[in-house]
Amino acid sequence: GAGVSQSPSNKVTEKGKDVELRCDPISGHTALYWYRQSLGQGLEFLIYFQGNSAPDKSGLPSDRFSAERTGGSVSTLTIQRTQQEDSAVYLCASSLGPVQNYGYTFGSGTRLTVV
Amino acid sequence: TQLLEQSPQFLSIQEGENLTVYCNSSSVFSSLQWYRQEPGEGPVLLVTVVTGGEVKKLKRLTFQFGDARKDSSLHITAAQPGDTGLYLCAGIRSSNTGKLIFGQGTTLQVKP
Repeated sequence: GAGVSQSPSNKVTEKGKDVELRCDPISGHTALYWYRQSLGQGLEFLIYFQGNSAPDKSGLPSDRFSAERTGGSVSTLTIQRTQQEDSAVYLCASSLGPVQNYGYTFGSGTRLTVV
Repeated sequence: TQLLEQSPQFLSIQEGENLTVYCNSSSVFSSLQWYRQEPGEGPVLLVTVVTGGEVKKLKRLTFQFGDARKDSSLHITAAQPGDTGLYLCAGIRSSNTGKLIFGQGTTLQVKP
């Protein structure tokens, strides 16, 4: 597709349930990032995939969070046993090359609400 | 602890006014980017500044990177309602990583 695609756009889930968020990056973009954004706040880094390298998971807030990227393309962010504090907009971005040269192209995000 | 501090956090002005948004840190960044985000959308890259003291202009927007590469500013001349949005600065600590560190954002509202 022309841009970064995220699904679902909105997700309401009950506390304790697991959720999967999907990101389809721009074709050919080797780097993929997940951030989350709480209401009116900046973006908090979660995880970063670059090609075939081991992902940088340093931003994952707990072991309930995990992500994978299959075939160097689509990525899935999984949150197990969701808590109310997990409610946020989860943003995915991809980049064609070095971020200082290309910047990030973001998707529109998945708004997660845990009730 | 916020590595990049933006100020002000919220700004409401009339069409035609000028404004400046600041992005400050005690850390040095190899480069810094500014993004603009509209409701329901992801941030969109506006500019990248790399060299200390660098000034870049994008129509009515002027971006400056501090000499010590620890701070940046965004100046908008004659603001328009279409400039309304959340402005985010984001720094790159090292050219070896693609990870951006974002400020908390400045919400700008330009009233007609």
